Amino acid sequence: DTGVSQDPRHKITKRGQNVTFRCDPISEHNRLYWYRQTLGQGPEFLTYFQNEAQLEKSRLLSDRFSAERPKGSFSTLEIQRTEQGDSAMYLCASSRFPAPQETQYFGPGTRLLVL
Amino acid sequence: AQTVTQSQPEMSVQEAETVTLSCTYDTSESDYYLFWYKQPPSRQMILVIRQEAYKQQNATENRFSVNFQKAAKSFSLKISDSQLGDAAMYFCAYHPGDMRFGAGTRLTVKP
Repeated sequence: DTGVSQDPRHKITKRGQNVTFRCDPISEHNRLYWYRQTLGQGPEFLTYFQNEAQLEKSRLLSDRFSAERPKGSFSTLEIQRTEQGDSAMYLCASSRFPAPQETQYFGPGTRLLVL
Repeated sequence: AQTVTQSQPEMSVQEAETVTLSCTYDTSESDYYLFWYKQPPSRQMILVIRQEAYKQQNATENRFSVNFQKAAKSFSLKISDSQLGDAAMYFCAYHPGDMRFGAGTRLTVKP
């Protein structure tokens, strides 16, 4: 399968713990996006990378959140000192830019539950 | 700031019938893309159809087509010959830069 993959698919943690999620984009895609989706809502943009450069961060991305894409391939999203409000689905998407028709392709997501 | 509004939280359609899902957006940009994504229960987001704002012709993909009204900032999705597998959450989204999504419309298909 050459689609976007995310690991883990599910994570349960206790409040105050740190968690890290990984996203592997489609191999030829240079842009990688992170979104958060809560139940019954559409995804909300968190941040995106072009190659290894983080080009934009949403105000939703508090200081407890950090994302990296060190070699321009896979990316990690870390949440420090998790809070119950962090419980959500974290989605990763990738795209090729520039492209005549830039389209983001999504991974299956990591569902986080903070107890 | 760009916003995307889907005014229909839920829609229902009879199998083999046609249904239209509404979407409006707000932007000051002249060049952008619009998308409809489908998210089946507990499954990942799948691209349904894409429209470039500079194109006047409405996009079509098999049973899926859009009615893009740029002046009205409206982007509706029409699903023809609805199938049971079309049941899902449908999200309208605006791009460039970060993708802005609407709150979604839950489509139920009745056999």
